[in-house]
Amino acid sequence: GAGVSQSPSNKVTEKGKDVELRCDPISGHTALYWYRQRLGQGLEFLIYFQGNSAPDKSGLPSDRFSAERTGESVSTLTIQRTQQEDSAVYLCASSLARGGFYSPLHFGNGTRLTVT
Amino acid sequence: AQTVTQSQPEMSVQEAETVTLSCTYDTSESDYYLFWYKQPPSRQMILVIRQEAYKQQNATENRFSVNFQKAAKSFSLKISDSQLGDAAMYFCAYKGVFNDMRFGAGTRLTVKP
Repeated sequence: GAGVSQSPSNKVTEKGKDVELRCDPISGHTALYWYRQRLGQGLEFLIYFQGNSAPDKSGLPSDRFSAERTGESVSTLTIQRTQQEDSAVYLCASSLARGGFYSPLHFGNGTRLTVT
Repeated sequence: AQTVTQSQPEMSVQEAETVTLSCTYDTSESDYYLFWYKQPPSRQMILVIRQEAYKQQNATENRFSVNFQKAAKSFSLKISDSQLGDAAMYFCAYKGVFNDMRFGAGTRLTVKP
């Protein structure tokens, strides 16, 4: 079946512009996660959705970052007034929350964001 | 929030040999899951193995096994008969009762032919 889909796969933007990153989770997965991965580094937690609500937004780095999810499916991560430090790969993952926390995360291939 | 620590930024192993990657975590929860993920250069995250905290028996998946020490909050990954295709970044992860998932900083594994 279809996996987690992220678009675009690559995005180059100028400093100060806004960008939107999209994630389509696996159908039926009610939990959705966003992570940031800088070059050669680990996964930095950004935000987690359970259905359409976000019980944990603690990882969003600043108020320039926001995320929403509608219809328990697609999620968008928006970065306003991008800075060069925002350059990274943004990974989205989903999981079966009904399966409890036993369910592993299934990852997309990420969006590589480059801010020039 | 729970923290996950991988103290080995880089490891190397000779092909066909065994290597162990370390992971420790900090939590006050009694039940949780632990995972190891592999990230090859393609950057696709691949689940390697998982372990429930309530199970005393260590998980095993073919050449991959874990040494889970709950009291010590340690969760190491052993790769036996290492293959060239095992070369990747390996991430340890913790998933708690609220479904949040936290990752360690990763260990880059090199396999020498």
